[in-house]
Amino acid sequence: DGGITQSPKYLFRKEGQNVTLSCEQNLNHDAMYWYRQDPGQGLRLIYYSQIVNDFQKGDIAEGYSVSREKKESFPLTVTSAQKNPTAFYLCASSIETGIYEQYFGPGTRLTVT
Amino acid sequence: AQSVTQLDSQVPVFEEAPVELRCNYSSSVSVYLFWYVQYPNQGLQLLLKYLSGSTLVKGINGFEAEFNKSQTSFHLRKPSVHISDTAEYFCAVSVYSSASKIIFGSGTRLSIRP
Repeated sequence: DGGITQSPKYLFRKEGQNVTLSCEQNLNHDAMYWYRQDPGQGLRLIYYSQIVNDFQKGDIAEGYSVSREKKESFPLTVTSAQKNPTAFYLCASSIETGIYEQYFGPGTRLTVT
Repeated sequence: AQSVTQLDSQVPVFEEAPVELRCNYSSSVSVYLFWYVQYPNQGLQLLLKYLSGSTLVKGINGFEAEFNKSQTSFHLRKPSVHISDTAEYFCAVSVYSSASKIIFGSGTRLSIRP
């Protein structure tokens, strides 16, 4: 059963701590993405990767970091430098970047207090 | 650069009534258009897409959308909605480029009243 998994579904952290969100896909897609979703603001692109060992900043990369050591995995670290980290985070993948539809994971809701 | 605007943040509709969710885009080149649906606390799922060909595109769950190049619109329609259609709907646009990204609109929350 192909798809994208994100874990955990809910995550709670204290302010000042780094936290890593997991994203795994078994669709054999080259491209992967991380989005942040806040109420009324739609999806904002954090980082994306077109191929293993390469990634690009999106529109709101400050305070976040990623790695792409394997095709299947694209973890996102929310660092203590991110001023307002509480949000719903969505991971997606596509065959390639560009016109190809994106497949989304179920999301991780991060709450930082 | 391309952009996409969803004019209505919320659309309340009675069950079995028709619905139209509006989407307008701006781009100086040919575009590719998508509609996604997001049910509460879930990821997004593709409803339909327009890449080329017929301007009327049919998707899943009885939804359809019409690409109108002159009005730069890609409105989503359903002739009769069901309670299960309650969700947030996102319009998205991309242009043909290996490095391009899909740009999402801010979303329209569809609420169905019995």
